[in-house]
Amino acid sequence: DQQVKQNSPSLSVQEGRISILNCDYTNSMFDYFLWYKKYPAEGPTFLISISSIKDKNEDGRFTVFLNKSAKHLSLHIVPSQPGDSAVYFCAALPQGAQKLVFGQGTRLTINP
Amino acid sequence: KAGVTQTPRYLIKTRGQQVTLSCSPISGHRSVSWYQQTPGQGLQFLFEYFSETQRNKGNFPGRFSGRQFSNSRSEMNVSTLELGDSALYLCASRPTGGAGNEQFFGPGTRLTVL
Repeated sequence: DQQVKQNSPSLSVQEGRISILNCDYTNSMFDYFLWYKKYPAEGPTFLISISSIKDKNEDGRFTVFLNKSAKHLSLHIVPSQPGDSAVYFCAALPQGAQKLVFGQGTRLTINP
Repeated sequence: KAGVTQTPRYLIKTRGQQVTLSCSPISGHRSVSWYQQTPGQGLQFLFEYFSETQRNKGNFPGRFSGRQFSNSRSEMNVSTLELGDSALYLCASRPTGGAGNEQFFGPGTRLTVL
């Protein structure tokens, strides 16, 4: 069973506009959520995280929103740049365990 | 500060062989985790080591094993390789203490089993 789901395999956005990537989870015992960006043949690069006790975290162009009642989080990228084109993974950490549970990823393409 | 390094970057083996992959964490990081990435299953957790002890383990068969040394470097071993073991194997390290839970990944080792 997929505990972390990214239902959109791909997303295409125009340069300068907002990119919104979504993630749903089923396990209420997750207490930390992270977003990673991945280029082909490279390891994932950490972008931003959020604790389950918060509902928003912002870092530069990146903002993560957490809706615990809906078990949903989203990553907003504003403004989107061509270098943002990559696969984005949502990941969750269960309480007390350093074992990331990943979604399937969303391929973001930023068009000039 | 140097990032997580993994060796080798690419490896080709045949079925039935065994393989050892190596990971050097970021200096000062004592927690090392391993993940497998395949097109079908995505990114899946293998195991985590801290101070030479395995703390967490994912749902993989016993053919997958690992260890950590006193300098925090880690190795993972896969015995009796199967075609389905072809994957990108990623190592991640995490600083001890601090407020965050971020894990920092290496570039991975691409294993191909023929």
